[in-house]
Amino acid sequence: NAGVTQTPKFRVLKTGQSMTLLCAQDMNHEYMYWYRQDPGMGLRLIHYSVGEGTTAKGEVPDGYNVSRLKKQNFLLGLESAAPSQTSVYFCASRGVLGTDTQYFGPGTRLTVL
Amino acid sequence: DQQVKQNSPSLSVQEGRISILNCDYTNSMFDYFLWYKKYPAEGPTFLISISSIKDKNEDGRFTVFLNKSAKHLSLHIVPSQPGDSAVYFCAGRSGNTGKLIFGQGTTLQVKP
Repeated sequence: NAGVTQTPKFRVLKTGQSMTLLCAQDMNHEYMYWYRQDPGMGLRLIHYSVGEGTTAKGEVPDGYNVSRLKKQNFLLGLESAAPSQTSVYFCASRGVLGTDTQYFGPGTRLTVL
Repeated sequence: DQQVKQNSPSLSVQEGRISILNCDYTNSMFDYFLWYKKYPAEGPTFLISISSIKDKNEDGRFTVFLNKSAKHLSLHIVPSQPGDSAVYFCAGRSGNTGKLIFGQGTTLQVKP
């Protein structure tokens, strides 16, 4: 039982390049989330999904797209990377019960030059 | 508009003493409040939570207090241990989708 995994762990991009971050969970969770963490700002929600085939915007969605084609996977895409997207990205998943908490992956450190 | 605020960026305590981490919020619609702990180069891990209808929840050395009239919650760690040194995030949960709104975090250092 690996929990929540993220690929890749590190990445360096040049401005304008694109990439996809992959999040996978093996806990059969319905809900999945993408956050970014920046110094002094805590974690901010980018996009989330309440089930396979669904996505919704969070607090800071601009410049990102997501897809949830399979229940266990949640992809975060950057179509044209900008230096402002330099951050640590965390994925999380959660079950449907009201008392369920979010379980986080180990993070992806992205640098955009 | 920062809905969840942790006004102390850092806190240093001696091993064995009490650590008190504070959090303020503005959104009255949060139904749960959670504390997460984060070590460097790792994802946040869940520590303890409290329902908005409770005023206290305890789990071993960790206790969370909620004061709804003041829109304030606090995490007490007693006794503090060096392994507790980490960044602590407070979060409010909003709605059925379970979205979390996080504070900025407080870095706790427990000195031996």
